[in-house]
Amino acid sequence: AQKVTQAQTEISVVEKEDVTLDCVYETRDTTYYLFWYKQPPSGELVFLIRRNSFDEQNEISGRYSWNFQKSTSSFNFTITASQVVDSAVYFCALKTGGGNKLTFGTGTQLKVEL
Amino acid sequence: NAGVTQTPKFRVLKTGQSMTLLCAQDMNHEYMYWYRQDPGMGLRLIHYSVGEGTTAKGEVPDGYNVSRLKKQNFLLGLESAAPSQTSVYFCASRNRAEQYFGPGTRLTVT
Repeated sequence: AQKVTQAQTEISVVEKEDVTLDCVYETRDTTYYLFWYKQPPSGELVFLIRRNSFDEQNEISGRYSWNFQKSTSSFNFTITASQVVDSAVYFCALKTGGGNKLTFGTGTQLKVEL
Repeated sequence: NAGVTQTPKFRVLKTGQSMTLLCAQDMNHEYMYWYRQDPGMGLRLIHYSVGEGTTAKGEVPDGYNVSRLKKQNFLLGLESAAPSQTSVYFCASRNRAEQYFGPGTRLTVT
């Protein structure tokens, strides 16, 4: 069985602060994919990133960065210099290599205030 | 390309009524999925399909039926709606690894 845990239900920060969203996953498979999705107040799900289990290199995309650590089964997401437009629910998800399904965490609501 | 589209966007049903939600994708993806999203519970998989003519149960299939008669369409049916089925429903399709989501359907059952 696979599981994704996002222990932070809600985070509030002031604009320009850095914020890290935690994601811990469980799987027995050696091949798997990890994802982050953003759900802004408008409701759509926006794909942010996909990593496979064989690539532990951290990734940076503008103000977004991701830290993948197999040793701790974590795939954390950091937003640097947060902005009000970053306010959204963020979901972490896991798919095993041979599986057909995504398993989602329960999401973290991020509120960025002025 | 329109990507993944869902019809309707909003719907209100009375308990016991039936309805069908339509999902369409124009990316020639084999895999399609139906999820429901409830507060504090993330997205939970209802049913999915690995190709035309196939369907399989997900995590929360009870009270729903699906059909995939054409590769581009995946229908989700509620035969007798219940208030517990009030939710936001998302359809998705998949290429090799990444899932593409539709805009969602907000369903309220009174």
